[in-house]
Amino acid sequence: AQKITQTQPGMFVQEKEAVTLDCTYDTSDPSYGLFWYKQPSSGEMIFLIYQGSYDQQNATEGRYSLNFQKARKSANLVISASQLGDSAMYFCAMREGTGGGNKLTFGTGTQLKVEL
Amino acid sequence: EAQVTQNPRYLITVTGKKLTVTCSQNMNHEYMSWYRQDPGLGLRQIYYSMNVEVTDKGDVPEGYKVSRKEKRNFPLILESPSPNQTSLYFCASSFTRLAGVLSTDTQYFGPGTRLTVL
Repeated sequence: AQKITQTQPGMFVQEKEAVTLDCTYDTSDPSYGLFWYKQPSSGEMIFLIYQGSYDQQNATEGRYSLNFQKARKSANLVISASQLGDSAMYFCAMREGTGGGNKLTFGTGTQLKVEL
Repeated sequence: EAQVTQNPRYLITVTGKKLTVTCSQNMNHEYMSWYRQDPGLGLRQIYYSMNVEVTDKGDVPEGYKVSRKEKRNFPLILESPSPNQTSLYFCASSFTRLAGVLSTDTQYFGPGTRLTVL
């Protein structure tokens, strides 16, 4: 079974609107962390936001927020007031807590296109 | 400036010609890792290192070697590259997280190396 599932290969959104990118995860570990990364066309991986499994509140970082629904095992990224520069590939990733180290398991990504 | 650097950024080579992709970080991180990115598959871990002289296989280690002789460097070696190793490669680093400890430490990624094996 896939550990991280991103069901939207591509999304379109109009500038200044909000958009939600879906991510569901699968783990039996009670301790885990969820990450979102942005990959623009230039290729680099840019960290956006982190949510820990024990965090009581949803994480927010500027225009990014993470809609964390633990019982549903979902960690959707919400981008408010989309900008043209938000056009990129977005990856959801998970780090499970039991083992040491920092291995990230990634989803297959969602390509977001922001239109005028 | 805190960063992870990779060289080369682009490489076209032929089947069987040994190559090394270098990775260096200046953040004193213990943990370093290599990932490959392929269309439709996301990023998959190749090898990782918890500290100097400590390395282990990730999910897709076949055809790759690594070494960690110094804390800052973690080269990826392809002894006999094949076309199925054509991919975008990322090196990443972070502080090592102990087992059972939930940490916000994020991984910093290098700029990527685009490798084509003909």
